[in-house]
Amino acid sequence: DAGVIQSPRHEVTEMGQEVTLRCKPISGHNSLFWYRQTMMRGLELLIYFNNNVPIDDSGMPEDRFSAKMPNASFSTLKIQPSEPRDSAVYFCASSPRVVLEGVSGNTIYFGEGSWLTVV
Amino acid sequence: QKEVEQNSGPLSVPEGAIASLNCTYSDRGSQSFFWYRQYSGKSPELIMFIYSNGDKEDGRFTAQLNKASQYVSLLIRDSQPSDSATYLCALISGGYQKVTFGTGTKLQVIP
Repeated sequence: DAGVIQSPRHEVTEMGQEVTLRCKPISGHNSLFWYRQTMMRGLELLIYFNNNVPIDDSGMPEDRFSAKMPNASFSTLKIQPSEPRDSAVYFCASSPRVVLEGVSGNTIYFGEGSWLTVV
Repeated sequence: QKEVEQNSGPLSVPEGAIASLNCTYSDRGSQSFFWYRQYSGKSPELIMFIYSNGDKEDGRFTAQLNKASQYVSLLIRDSQPSDSATYLCALISGGYQKVTFGTGTKLQVIP
């Protein structure tokens, strides 16, 4: 059973270039999350989707960042133009909706991450 | 105040000892709580989740939840060098199940 698939795994790009990160969630999962991880700030939630609809994008750092989920099996995170401070690991994660004894709970499954370096 | 707070560590314990990792949170409406383990250069992986007050045990791991005091903890018994990793606390809040992570506690188990 395939997990969350992210591409590219590693990318090095020059400042000012456009970066597009891609994610294929686990089939049947209805929530998708984009996280950014750095040593200084830890794992930050950028945006999450529920049933392909963006629910909360308050974590998106600025207008240079955008995310889309055109269908249940694909999402992109785009940075345009990229800056050196965007260098980080970007994780995509997905989860099913589970209700446990009346309490909503789910398990997030992470992709292997996209390691971005902007020089 | 951060939504989820953890001591960044590192927390060093000798092999065979009990490691205790703590996490506090600010949103009383938080519903479910998770502990993830992340090895260096890898993605986080789920260890266990808890949503009721009290203790939940799974092998060498015990999660403890106290909603009144707004803290969650993870105990690792008989710590092994392979347990050396960063442990992330996470919680779910809101009707759309927003999942928020703490910054993690680095655990070092000394042989």
